[in-house]
Amino acid sequence: GAVVSQHPSRVICKSGTSVKIECRSLDFQATTMFWYRQFPKQSLMLMATSNEGSKATYEQGVEKDKFLINHASLTLSTLTVTSAHPEDSSFYICSASGLAGGWNEQFFGPGTRLTVL
Amino acid sequence: AQTVTQSQPEMSVQEAETVTLSCTYDTSESDYYLFWYKQPPSRQMILVIRQEAYKQQNATENRFSVNFQKAAKSFSLKISDSQLGDAAMYFCAYRSGRDDKIIFGKGTRLHILP
Repeated sequence: GAVVSQHPSRVICKSGTSVKIECRSLDFQATTMFWYRQFPKQSLMLMATSNEGSKATYEQGVEKDKFLINHASLTLSTLTVTSAHPEDSSFYICSASGLAGGWNEQFFGPGTRLTVL
Repeated sequence: AQTVTQSQPEMSVQEAETVTLSCTYDTSESDYYLFWYKQPPSRQMILVIRQEAYKQQNATENRFSVNFQKAAKSFSLKISDSQLGDAAMYFCAYRSGRDDKIIFGKGTRLHILP
């Protein structure tokens, strides 16, 4: 099946710094990628939809200036958490839409755990 | 707006037994898809089963099957012959036919008792 990778898997940073998380579709091209946030013992909350070559679409309540998303190619989307604060600590998951068996399925990355000190 | 509700935060089942996880959803759309995802301790999301709303036949995947009641907007997951490896968080999810956005329920943590 299609594989989506995320890098890094874990990151610890100091408050006020920026952190970049990469999401790559390894064996397929993804015109659309999605970024989710998951708090401990909670569900996945969609943050934004990322389309290759265009601006990301953010869900209501998500600060687009804080969570910068870039989808520069059909295999790479990045999420940059700017001026990170402890409340940004969370598990971030990306997914990429790709064709599988004639079906447009979302394939999920393994997630990135961000800890802001 | 579409919503997905899972009313069982946790469930337990004896190994080899059958368990059913409940899910209801709300939508005014006629074209949509429903999913069950599994999230084991590794946090990797795994697609368990999917159901196209236009299909009347309930989807099955080996030991996993769904009971899709479109009029009642209900989409339960049945796991037969439960195995220790089935222990995980299970999320019911909805996807509109208009776009690829997925809305997740709050999840049900399933424990398998040996």
